[in-house]
Amino acid sequence: QVQLQESGPRLVKTSETLSLTCTVSGGSMKTYYWTWIRQSPGKGLEWIAYIHYSGSTNYNPSLRSRVTISIDTSNNQFSLSLSSVTAADTAVYYCASELATVSGSYYFDNWGQGALVTVSS
Amino acid sequence: EIVLTQSPGTLSLSPGERATLSCRASQSVGNYLTWYQQKPGQAPRLLIYSVSKRATGIPARFSGSGSGTDFTLTISSLEPEDFAIYYCHQRSKWPPWTFGQGTKVEVK
Repeated sequence: QVQLQESGPRLVKTSETLSLTCTVSGGSMKTYYWTWIRQSPGKGLEWIAYIHYSGSTNYNPSLRSRVTISIDTSNNQFSLSLSSVTAADTAVYYCASELATVSGSYYFDNWGQGALVTVSS
Repeated sequence: EIVLTQSPGTLSLSPGERATLSCRASQSVGNYLTWYQQKPGQAPRLLIYSVSKRATGIPARFSGSGSGTDFTLTISSLEPEDFAIYYCHQRSKWPPWTFGQGTKVEVK
């Protein structure tokens, strides 16, 4: 069973960069699309980006200019960087593993517990 | 961007009753429709993928149906642990892949 754990600063100043890391245990990083999702009262659940172990990425167009996702397979980690944050970026940030099955299904089958990140001046 | 609209916003039911939750997409998502359950303070949990396939360990009282733009999650007989918020999610061809705003199933 894959387990994920988010880590990183929980308080970020306005206009600075939010950085989170997700540590993966119990599974191969080659299997999944490694994903960041956030949840805020105002916008609900929002898909941010994914990265595959091959390095391929995909970003939410609304965040693309501010987001970078990276992977470190040697340490079983992947990371999120969100620049120029504002109060609207305050949310619970989840890392998740998305499985793509041979039959063409996609789903998030494992989630981290979530990290509440507050943006404040 | 494909918008998913869930209805109703809140469903007030008693244990043992049947729950019917709707998710409507602004354009066809094929069969790339997934349902998640979320309880307070927890991450979402996978229930149903590809419209109607139950995830491992999900009880048979949960079922999904629909196609194209209209989808339904049915809980045949509510158990106490089923009172939660349910989200639909679409993973069609192009990002962004979006979630519905959620339906809260609460105790009547």
